[in-house]
This record gives sequence, structure tokens and C-alpha cells, in this order.
Amino acid sequence: QKEVEQDPGPLSVPEGAIVSLNCTYSNSAFQYFMWYRQYSRKGPELLMYTYSSGNKEDGRFTAQVDKSSKYISLFIRDSQPSDSATYLCASYSGGYQKVTFGTGTKLQVIP
Amino acid sequence: EAGVVQSPRYKIIEKKQPVAFWCNPISGHNTLYWYRQNLGQGPELLIRYENEEAVDDSQLPKDRFSAERLKGVDSTLKIQPAELGDSAVYLCASSPGTPRHYEQYFGPGTRLTVT
Repeated sequence: QKEVEQDPGPLSVPEGAIVSLNCTYSNSAFQYFMWYRQYSRKGPELLMYTYSSGNKEDGRFTAQVDKSSKYISLFIRDSQPSDSATYLCASYSGGYQKVTFGTGTKLQVIP
Repeated sequence: EAGVVQSPRYKIIEKKQPVAFWCNPISGHNTLYWYRQNLGQGPELLIRYENEEAVDDSQLPKDRFSAERLKGVDSTLKIQPAELGDSAVYLCASSPGTPRHYEQYFGPGTRLTVT
């Protein structure tokens, strides 16, 4: 079992829809939870990070972490065609000083 | 502020040939990482440097892979000899270092094809 699990998709939504991307993790030692966006043939781009449980909002993006259920979510409001990319969730443990990535979910926003 | 720079962007070589990748991290970032990303997978750590010191190279296949970070800035990752299974995207990332290892910034990657 991978430490961070993510549905690979692809996920297709119409422009303007609310997108929900989800991950689960197994290591209770994870403290920070990140979301990266990766366009085709580009490197991953850090979107947001969250410490422990709770919500964090940045524009149209909201990250949510529920440590009790080991569940990580990213919500995208008013989705745009430019949001079409692969979204990678990742988790970090200060003890191991290592980031563990999910496999990524490919999102397509259709105009 | 300039991001992480990598070169070359693409490389095609025959198996058993050597290849090298170069990375220049974000200015002031003490920590540098090399990752390998296979198609449809997330990045997997190969090696982490804190300044000049390789502090985690447990996932680096040392029989054929080597890395260096002279003067604690630029880094080079080498494969010799390359095998067909080495075809992947090699990503370099940097972070401000302790305690912000969770905050990593990636370069565009080098797409390696071994034929």
C-alpha cells in the first residue's frame, strides 16, 4: 500500500463547475499536506500547503485536511480551462524530512 | 525571482551511454533534491542535499547513478551506463531548508529517453 493514495482520473468537468480532488494517506506522522499542479511537460508547481487539520483558502482554491480520517481534499471553484492539469497531493513528516507524493489526478475542464 | 533552472530539457541516448543533468536552485535555498518521475506517477526522491552534503541518498541506485553539489549551489546528476528503464523525467527541486522542507519548488525537468 502506498503511503499517499490518489485516484488517477481522468476527471472531466464543464467550465464553471466546482471540482473536488481527493487523497488518502496512511502515515499518522505526516504533518504538512501539499497540493501541486503539473501542466503537461512541466515541473510540479506548489499551489498550497496546510499544517495539520483544517482548511486553507487561496482565491478559487481551498485545501482541506481531516487527520482523523486521513483524508486530503482540494476544491476548485469556478473551474477554468486553464485549470486543466494533473494535480498531485503530497504529505510531509518532519521526522523523516521527506515529502511523499500521490500519483496525481488528471483534470480536464471543458469550455 | 528566478525559479529552478534545469538543462537540458530533453535528452535521447542509446543504452550503455552516459548522461548528465544540471540544476541551478533558487537563490538562497540550501536544500536541493533530485527526483525521478515515471509516466503516470508522482515524483520519487533520488537524493537530497543540505548545502554540499548528501543527507539522504538511500533511493539512489549507486551502481550507476552519481550526484554532486559543489560549493552548495549547482548540482549535477549523472547516469553511467544508462539502461532502458532509466527513461523518465528527472526533476530538480529546492527548498528554503529546515524547517520548511515541505515547501519545495521544482524545475521544468529533463525528459530522458534511452533507446
